Formats: sequence, structure tokens, C-alpha cells
Amino acid sequence: GAVVSQHPSWVICKSGTSVKIECRSLDFQATTMFWYRQFPKQSLMLMATSNEGSKATYEQGVEKDKFLINHASLTLSTLTVTSAHPEDSSFYICSARLGVAGQPQHFGDGTRLSIL
Amino acid sequence: SQQGEEDPQALSIQEGENATMNCSYKTSINNLQWYRQNSGRGLVHLILIRSNEREKHSGRLRVTLDTSKKSSSLLITASRAADTASYFCATVSSSNTGKLIFGQGTTLQVKP
Repeated sequence: GAVVSQHPSWVICKSGTSVKIECRSLDFQATTMFWYRQFPKQSLMLMATSNEGSKATYEQGVEKDKFLINHASLTLSTLTVTSAHPEDSSFYICSARLGVAGQPQHFGDGTRLSIL
Repeated sequence: SQQGEEDPQALSIQEGENATMNCSYKTSINNLQWYRQNSGRGLVHLILIRSNEREKHSGRLRVTLDTSKKSSSLLITASRAADTASYFCATVSSSNTGKLIFGQGTTLQVKP
């Protein structure tokens, strides 16, 4: 149980393209989802907390107009990287929390984004 | 922001040996969690230890927590080649909204 599906797993696109990444909780409802970014051989950096039905909470230094987050239902959150450039290339991972704050998070398998 | 420090950064052992990873953090916590990440994949939750707990077991995993030293350790006993992965500790602070703050991670290689 507590499966999170992330799609697509790999994206290669030209500079200037906008890319949408989907994160779905398949067998549970997630009022809170999280979006992380991970550079090679480094840890996860939290980008934003996505709350169903309200605006996302972004971490300091993350541009909200660059990384648009929508959490329109209890099972789906999307991250759109707008006008992506090579420096946006990274591994993006979403997670969903099943219970209350502080409980374990369930992670998707990540999306590797490569901007040419 | 990240607050966890883990050591070692990399660990290479033979199958059957035990692996110990350490994690230190800076603020007071509600709980501390350990996750595993296989290369190019998402993270898998392993174990959660609350701030009022000192030790917890799950199968071949043993986690300790010392809140006075702000540190935790993860012990994997009788390691297997399939345990090869990166291991991260993550803390939930007493004051935030449940965000996970990850440590730098330990890359474990178990040689068959």
C-alpha cells in the first residue's frame, strides 16, 4: 500500500520548453505532497510543500513562477518547470504523506529532466 | 535547508558484515527517519524513531537515537548485496509543519 506514481520518469527537451511532472498517490488520499530536487550524488532539497486546494508553500530561494505547483485533487499534484533552461536539469522527486505531520513520506521514482 | 550530517559518506563492506551509518542534526526534533534510495530511484522509508525512544529494531535494521548528542545511527546486520544503496536520515523538527530535512547520505556498497 501507499504507492506514489511519478510521471514521466525521463524528459529530454530543448531550452525554453515548459515541462509538467505528475505525482499521483495511487491507493490513498494525500492532502500534502512534497517536491524535491536532487543533484548527482547529493541529498534531497525540499522545493515546496503542496497542499490540496490551496497554494503551495515554497522554500526560500525557490522561484514560484519558475516552478508552478498545482494540487487540484487529493491524489494528484503537478510540478511545471516553466521555460526550462540547462541549469534546471536535475532529478525531481515527489512524495506524499499518508497521515499527519511528521509521519513517513512515500516517494515517487523521480523524474530525470535534461534540458538541452 | 539541510541540517543533517552523515558519516561515513561512503562505505564498502563484504556480504555478511555489519554496516553502521551515523547521522547528526542541529535542532530539536519530533522524530528521525531513515530512508533508502537505490540508484536513480525514489526513496523508501525504512524506520521512524520518536524523540522519546532510544532504540528501535526492524528485521536486520537497528536504529539508535541520542537526543542529548543530537545523533542517530543505523545498523544493518548480516548485509546482503541487495542492501547496496544510499541511506539518508531525515528529521522532523519540533517546530515545523512536518517537513523532512535530509542528511547528506551514506552510500553503501556490499560486495558479494
